[in-house]
Amino acid sequence: SQQGEEDPQALSIQEGENATMNCSYKTSINNLQWYRQNSGRGLVHLILIRSNEREKHSGRLRVTLDTSKKSSSLLITASRAADTASYFCATAERNQGGKLIFGQGTELSVKP
Amino acid sequence: KAGVTQTPRYLIKTRGQQVTLSCSPISGHRSVSWYQQTPGQGLQFLFEYFSETQRNKGNFPGRFSGRQFSNSRSEMNVSTLELGDSALYLCASSFSREETQYFGPGTRLLVL
Repeated sequence: SQQGEEDPQALSIQEGENATMNCSYKTSINNLQWYRQNSGRGLVHLILIRSNEREKHSGRLRVTLDTSKKSSSLLITASRAADTASYFCATAERNQGGKLIFGQGTELSVKP
Repeated sequence: KAGVTQTPRYLIKTRGQQVTLSCSPISGHRSVSWYQQTPGQGLQFLFEYFSETQRNKGNFPGRFSGRQFSNSRSEMNVSTLELGDSALYLCASSFSREETQYFGPGTRLLVL
């Protein structure tokens, strides 16, 4: 079963625009991780944010976490065509060790 | 460091056969998790191994099994294959159980 719900399911933007993806989850978590996947290949890790953190940055990526609302968002600034991919959030529930529960993903298309 | 490697990358089997997939984690990583990805169910957790012990198991039938060796390499086995087992099987490794998981390229299994 999947814990996370991602919104939107699909997003189409122009190069240079910002892209925001949202993720909601249901239980208490240790951390939340964002991944990117290109065309059914392996997942590329983007950012891990722990339950006691509210915001993290990595290059053009900004992730926020609101544990009171059980939600997270991923912002990609100044999008490029190469950012076209599926983006997934995954939660590591408390006391569940390395078990990640994935959302359904957001399919991002960045048009040149 | 070399990334997570998975062999084979592609596999075609027929119903009723069994299959063994292999995963070599990043050097120094002791935790290995397996996931199944299908268009219908998305990314689902199969199992987690740490220090040669299964620490967590997803909601899959007993036909799915795995193990981890002393060098942290892991294998998963699916017996009596069904058409619905056709999927991308992803392995991920992490230094410890609640850290970032790094994914391999996956093994794409087609059951005919």
